[in-house]
Amino acid sequence: RKEVEQDPGPFNVPEGATVAFNCTYSNSASQSFFWYRQDCRKEPKLLMSVYSSGNEDGRFTAQLNRASQYISLLIRDSKLSDSATYLCVVIGNTDKLIFGTGTRLQVFP
Amino acid sequence: DAGITQSPRHKVTETGTPVTLRCHQTENHRYMYWYRQDPGHGLRLIHYSYGVKDTDKGEVSDGYSVSRSKTEDFLLTLESATSSQTSVYFCAISESRQSNEQFFGPGTRLTVL
Repeated sequence: RKEVEQDPGPFNVPEGATVAFNCTYSNSASQSFFWYRQDCRKEPKLLMSVYSSGNEDGRFTAQLNRASQYISLLIRDSKLSDSATYLCVVIGNTDKLIFGTGTRLQVFP
Repeated sequence: DAGITQSPRHKVTETGTPVTLRCHQTENHRYMYWYRQDPGHGLRLIHYSYGVKDTDKGEVSDGYSVSRSKTEDFLLTLESATSSQTSVYFCAISESRQSNEQFFGPGTRLTVL
């Protein structure tokens, strides 16, 4: 079983739609969680951290469910510019980042 | 954007040849990392450095070596390239080991024929 698993997608949604991705992790000792965004043929960039209490940044909401060992990312009012691959990242007890393979989002007009 | 550059950005080489990729930062961050990214895999850590001349292995270090003689430069060497090392290589930096954020360079696309 992979340490971090994501549905690869693609998720094809119209502009204005709400879309949610989940990511599961296997190490219950994992301490920190993040969502990175990666545009096609570009480098990953931090989108947001995921806190135990959940956090929101504009149209983006991240949630953590420790009991079920998953994190989620919700995007409201999708824009064309949201089209990208979203990488789930987990830091376990080794202090190293473990990346998921990513979920591809395509927003169409 | 963080000041990280990678060179070369693209390279095609033949099996058995040595290859060196360079990562250069202007942020004076202590930690530097080399990852590879392949379809079906997340970014996988090859080696990382926690200071000048201080390096350690990551998850997929076989066939790779690194050196860091200056804070700003982190070199990744493939001593004898193989086709399985065809990949996109990303360098990243962070201020601390537990830093929330790693900043990535633009990547190097390496093809080994």
